[in-house]
Amino acid sequence: QSALTQPASVSGSPGQSISISCTGTSSDVGRYNYVSWYQKHPGEAPKLIIYDVTNRPSGVSNRFSGSKSGNTASLTISGLQPEDEADYYCSSFTGTTTLQYVFGTGTEVTVL
Amino acid sequence: EVQLLESGGGLEQPGGSLRVSCAASGFTFSSSAMHWVRQAPGKGLEWVSGVTYDGYDTYYADSVKGRFTISRDNSKNSLYLQMNSLRPEDTATYYCARRQPYSRTFDIWGQGTMVIVSS
Repeated sequence: QSALTQPASVSGSPGQSISISCTGTSSDVGRYNYVSWYQKHPGEAPKLIIYDVTNRPSGVSNRFSGSKSGNTASLTISGLQPEDEADYYCSSFTGTTTLQYVFGTGTEVTVL
Repeated sequence: EVQLLESGGGLEQPGGSLRVSCAASGFTFSSSAMHWVRQAPGKGLEWVSGVTYDGYDTYYADSVKGRFTISRDNSKNSLYLQMNSLRPEDTATYYCARRQPYSRTFDIWGQGTMVIVSS
């Protein structure tokens, strides 16, 4: 089972909205509503920003939103801010014992 | 404060062994499924292993199965990953993470511990 496919990089100006896609298969993204998104700054731990496709943990800005259609999930960041510049990873539960979770290839977000 | 703190990383030769640990605080560790996720230098995140709250069931990625062993000591609020037959491709920062109750996501992460496998 391969990593989920994400664009390598996405950029936008402050205040703009950007979207990051995450493409899997009918065995992971398409099968379960267990898609998560993590924000990762260099040298820091990953931070959960979206879980179960659309849910935001307490304390996460409502500028972050998630969705899913078929085998592809998406993360949208609206009102882009300088502190949003980071790497973003999607993840999906797979239900198998030898690969319980599969992560995406990662997307570097640049705020211009 | 909710916290996971990894330790035990370092430099090890190919074929060697290393045990990394994760100390939990601020939440009910004994009720939480726990996992290890790693990130090789310049690469993405990779799920490595997981264990149920009671240690009864364990799960491993194909890339580490038969070489790594996950375990936990609920009396010490600690999670472990015993890594044997290390390979250069195991070089990575190893993060422990809590699986959020009633979901399939990782809501608490440690800062990570670096493991380097090189001769």
